[in-house]
Amino acid sequence: DAGVIQSPRHEVTEMGQEVTLRCKPISGHDYLFWYRQTMMRGLELLIYFNNNVPIDDSGMPEDRFSAKMPNASFSTLKIQPSEPRDSAVYFCASSFRRKGHEQYFGPGTRLTVT
Amino acid sequence: AQSVTQPDIHITVSEGASLELRCNYSYGATPYLFWYVQSPGQGLQLLLKYFSGDTLVQGIKGFEAEFKRSQSSFNLRKPSVHWSDAAEYFCAVGAGYGGSQGNLIFGKGTKLSVKP
Repeated sequence: DAGVIQSPRHEVTEMGQEVTLRCKPISGHDYLFWYRQTMMRGLELLIYFNNNVPIDDSGMPEDRFSAKMPNASFSTLKIQPSEPRDSAVYFCASSFRRKGHEQYFGPGTRLTVT
Repeated sequence: AQSVTQPDIHITVSEGASLELRCNYSYGATPYLFWYVQSPGQGLQLLLKYFSGDTLVQGIKGFEAEFKRSQSSFNLRKPSVHWSDAAEYFCAVGAGYGGSQGNLIFGKGTKLSVKP
């Protein structure tokens, strides 16, 4: 299996622009997670899905952030409008309930908002 | 609420020395426990996991961890550290009974530096 795939790997954008991060989970996994990692705040869970349905979005920082999972093999995290404080590495991870929820992480997207 | 504590923010060991990274969790029932490693510029990689059974679990890269229910601990060990082990290490517990909620609660991580 190719593992969790994220795109783009790096994104540089200007404040106010819309940013869309993409994730393809491991085939057969039924959970998908979006995390944000910064030096100041560490690793934060933003939102997670089970069978394409959002279960907990309490970690989404504000209304500028939205996430969708239209099918089992694709998810997006959108920031609109972006702000410099959104600069971080965003990770997507997936897991399978029957394997005890061990999560497999993608390589991350490094977002820089200028 | 469940939580995971990694008391050491940063540890430095000499190459070839033994290593123990501490992890304490708060949870009543038998938890699902994990250790992940993150090398610079990389995503998190699963090192090992504990669900039940033998309390000493072996993982990749020569790591092992021991589950001690009486101490609510799941410490990570390696008998001889290599320079390539320099990374950040995260302990995590499955949320909910038997990890039933689906998500993981992560500790804040321990950064390991290795001296030549």
